[in-house]
Amino acid sequence: GDSVIQMQGQVTLSENDFLFINCTYSTTGYPTLFWYVQYSGEGPQLLLQVTTANNKGSSRGFEATYDKGTTSFHLQKTSVQEIDSAVYYCAMSDFGSFNKLTFGAGTRLAVCP
Amino acid sequence: GGIITQTPKFLIGQEGQKLTLKCQQNFNHDTMYWYRQDSGKGLRLIYYSITENDLQKGDLSEGYDASREKKSSFSLTVTSAQKNEMAVFLCASSYNQDTQYFGPGTRLLVL
Repeated sequence: GDSVIQMQGQVTLSENDFLFINCTYSTTGYPTLFWYVQYSGEGPQLLLQVTTANNKGSSRGFEATYDKGTTSFHLQKTSVQEIDSAVYYCAMSDFGSFNKLTFGAGTRLAVCP
Repeated sequence: GGIITQTPKFLIGQEGQKLTLKCQQNFNHDTMYWYRQDSGKGLRLIYYSITENDLQKGDLSEGYDASREKKSSFSLTVTSAQKNEMAVFLCASSYNQDTQYFGPGTRLLVL
């Protein structure tokens, strides 16, 4: 079945550090890939999404590139700030599935000032 | 813009109790979803509904019922709460295959 793997449960960085969060996926279809961010006490909100038509997505300084060869969709940011502290979820949906999302386990990012 | 409201914010129940969680959206979205969020496990789909009175089971539907009596509301019932259960239940909505918008969640604790 479909699956999304995020191996990093927790990442701790200092402000202005480079962020890299790993995500790999497995599916037989042609998925749309998402990164959602969840701040403390809130529901997840969309950070960025990428389809097979456009390989790269970016938002608020975050970037993710869809690599069909390695089935990866890693999230990067050049210089993180304390306000970026949150849980980041990689997710996947298959066209025609009424946007049912398969989520990874999430990566908690803590940025120290 | 719109908003998703979930009630209650916190829910404390007893083992074996039937518990109902409610969700309202004013986006006028067709599709609504219920997810369960457990620490270290991400979000797992319990039920979804593509229109009023429609119900579709997700991967985690056992132990739950759902109801979509109006386009704007989607309820979830825990049919028999399990002792020491602790989770966050998230409601979401979307227009067809577009972005899902999430509510703030209901935090459940079963004593």
